[in-house]
This record gives sequence, structure tokens and C-alpha cells, in this order.
Amino acid sequence: QQQVKQSPQSLIVQKGGIPIINCAYENTAFDYFPWYQQFPGKGPALLIAIRPDVSEKKEGRFTISFNKSAKQFSLHIMDSQPGDSATYFCAARNAGGTSYGKLTFGQGTILTVHP
Amino acid sequence: SAVISQKPSRDICQRGTSLTIQCQVDSQVTMMFWYRQQPGQSLTLIATANQGSEATYESGFVIDKFPISRPNLTFSTLTVSNMSPEDSSIYLCSGGDTEAFFGQGTRLTVV
Repeated sequence: QQQVKQSPQSLIVQKGGIPIINCAYENTAFDYFPWYQQFPGKGPALLIAIRPDVSEKKEGRFTISFNKSAKQFSLHIMDSQPGDSATYFCAARNAGGTSYGKLTFGQGTILTVHP
Repeated sequence: SAVISQKPSRDICQRGTSLTIQCQVDSQVTMMFWYRQQPGQSLTLIATANQGSEATYESGFVIDKFPISRPNLTFSTLTVSNMSPEDSSIYLCSGGDTEAFFGQGTRLTVV
């Protein structure tokens, strides 16, 4: 099953809060799990990504936690700022075969950070 | 990282006409893809743009409707043919090998 399920659909936090967005997948043939940030009228921008042999990756205020056995991964945004208000998409990339490189996206989470 | 430029950024087209969207990558990449994003929705893969061979289409997308060219490792085009209002959407080009980067998208409105 080539699905990635993302939750919540929307999320509102106060400045300084730690929003957490979760994704779950079923296909074990995925080898790379990126997160994208998208502002209105813009294309998705690669935020951070992780491979399944790593349980956590941190870049600045953004952290991915990865649970291979549960087939789940999540994005944490530390010390969130109003400028982080955007839509966030998780994705998973096919590892090989004729589907190599294709990304399957989650449904997206609209994050609002109040000042 | 790769920088991806798409044009046009937006267009309003009459139904029954065709629009060709161009995608330029600032470095050679093996993989290029075309996605569609309906307003407020997630991204759906249209096809893989294969250099030197025919594109590979996902279920629900056909070559006659969305012909794709990939003449070299830095450039691709997507044509939306015989447009109808249902084709109004954002079309996104993606490229990259170890990581996937996106262009700014083409916002298409069909009237």
C-alpha cells in the first residue's frame, strides 16, 4: 500500500510551543523520509529528512523522530515562531525498482503559531 | 541542493487549449518528476520524466493529456492538453537525486 497518513490536519500553538506532526506508512520499501514546508503561493521547500537507519535527526529547531518498527515518523518544531506558520508535508520515497525516487506525500498539516 | 525554475508561474487559459510548462534545474539530475497539487490539497505524482525515453505515468494520468519531454538532464516540459476547468491546479516540477527539490509551481486556471 503506497500511502502515508499524516496527522493532525491542522494545529494551532502559541509562540514558543512545540508542535508535533505525525506520519505513518505501510510500505517497507521506502528508504527516505523528507519533510517539506510550504507557504501560500510557493512550492514545497525541503526542511529536513531522515533515513530509516537513524532514529532521530536534528537540524536547528527541527527534529525528526523515526520509529522503524512502528513505521512512524514525526516532526517536532522547537521554540516555534509565527514565521513557522505554514503547511507541512511528510513524504516517503520509494527505494528501488521502477518506482525508485517517487515521493508519496501525506495529506498535510496546516500549522498556525500565534504570537 | 538544486535550484529549480518553473515558468510560467501562473496562467489563465481558455478551455480546449494547451499549456506547456517548463522546468529548468541548475545542475544535472537523474530524476525529474511532475506533480499536481489541487488548492488546499496534497501533492499527487503525475509522471516521472525520463531522459531520452518516454515518461512513466501514474495511474489516472495519460500521455495524450499530459505529454512530457526530457531532452537532457537539466530540463523538462509538461504540457496540459485540451484543458478543461478540472485541470485548474498547481503543477510542480521536482528534481534531484539524493534529495528532492521543487520549483515554485505553475498556478493554472482554466476558464
